[in-house]
Amino acid sequence: EPEVTQTPSHQVTQMGQEVILRCVPISNHLYFYWYRQILGQKVEFLVSFYNNEISEKSEIFDDQFSVERPDGSNFTLKIRSTKLEDSAMYFCASSSLAHEQFFGPGTRLTVL
Amino acid sequence: TQLLEQSPQFLSIQEGENLTVYCNSSSVFSSLQWYRQEPGEGPVLLVTVVTGGEVKKLKRLTFQFGDARKDSSLHITAAQPGDTGLYLCAGSGGYQKVTFGTGTKLQVIP
Repeated sequence: EPEVTQTPSHQVTQMGQEVILRCVPISNHLYFYWYRQILGQKVEFLVSFYNNEISEKSEIFDDQFSVERPDGSNFTLKIRSTKLEDSAMYFCASSSLAHEQFFGPGTRLTVL
Repeated sequence: TQLLEQSPQFLSIQEGENLTVYCNSSSVFSSLQWYRQEPGEGPVLLVTVVTGGEVKKLKRLTFQFGDARKDSSLHITAAQPGDTGLYLCAGSGGYQKVTFGTGTKLQVIP
């Protein structure tokens, strides 16, 4: 069964460093998303991406964040200068023309 | 801002009991999903309901979408320890973001 994959599973970085989180969405899906979940809190929407551009973003997704689909399979989330409060689980999701979004296993980002 | 409130937040029951989890909002959604999330893992999609009043069954789980498409419920019959987990409802306005509910943490005691 096709699934969304994410790498790495755990990323530890120093405050101020750049990180890139990678996702491989389900191959025939057209809509891509990033969400984050701070420990003990609810899953929060960051950004949606369609047709090679951002279609919607939340107030969390400020200038420190960017997304890219560099080739036909990968979808990346870059945080330019990480802050302590960026520590969270980051989930990638994808969907086709249906309403259902399928989530990856997540990347745990720890900012020290 | 669309908000989805789930109740109860926590539920601890004995194996074999029935339970219902509620998901309520003041907003109308074009569809509503139920996910289950294990600690340290991503949400796993259980079901999507689209039509007001729709009822879907997944083995011992019954999902219902309210007539006005603002609320939903998840009913589990004869709960088993394997049902233990965090249950999330999530509303969608289409192909854009999914708004997650506050979650219901279920524990089924053998």
